[in-house]
Amino acid sequence: AQSVTQLDSHVSVSEGTPVLLRCNYSSSYSPSLFWYVQHPNKGLQLLLKYTSAATLVKGINGFEAEFKKSETSFHLTKPSAHMSDAAEYFCVVTGEGSGNTGKLIFGQGTTLQVKP
Amino acid sequence: DSGVTQTPKHLITATGQRVTLRCSPRSGDLSVYWYQQSLDQGLQFLIQYYNGEERAKGNILERFSAQQFPDLHSELNLSSLELGDSALYFCASSVGLGRADTQYFGPGTRLTVL
Repeated sequence: AQSVTQLDSHVSVSEGTPVLLRCNYSSSYSPSLFWYVQHPNKGLQLLLKYTSAATLVKGINGFEAEFKKSETSFHLTKPSAHMSDAAEYFCVVTGEGSGNTGKLIFGQGTTLQVKP
Repeated sequence: DSGVTQTPKHLITATGQRVTLRCSPRSGDLSVYWYQQSLDQGLQFLIQYYNGEERAKGNILERFSAQQFPDLHSELNLSSLELGDSALYFCASSVGLGRADTQYFGPGTRLTVL
């Protein structure tokens, strides 16, 4: 069965330094993968998605992620953190099998703290 | 703003009661999804509707039901509420059914069961 593991529950960086949020997935099919962000008391916003095209995916606000099939990873990066990046980040994989392709499976989330 | 609206924003009720959460998808989207976010379970898929028909079911309790109406808005009905049902309930919508379709999320309804 498909699953997502976010390797860090909490990441703390200083403003202006790089961000790395790690995600491993498990899927029998070629999955679609997403990163969503949730700011406090807000809904979920799509950062970027991978759908079997280019393995390096660029998203909004300077974020990007690289799909590595051999490592079953989809890590999220940003060259320089901004205070406004502080939020909860979710790595997400789509479901498998007919009837489940619309189902999103979420990781447990990584809280990103950005220090001034 | 994703274009998905949910009402109400907050709901406080007592155990044993029944509530209805409402969702209006983005204009043109035919699929509606419901998710539950709780501290112990994280974000979990509940159910999906496409153009009025149920298409996928996740970890949805028998006390919960949903439907999608001809105007494509959706309602999630929660009955015989328990303390453990307290959570943030999200609705999302997408154009179609495919795994590549982006799901756009509403702001959520925070349910508190006392």
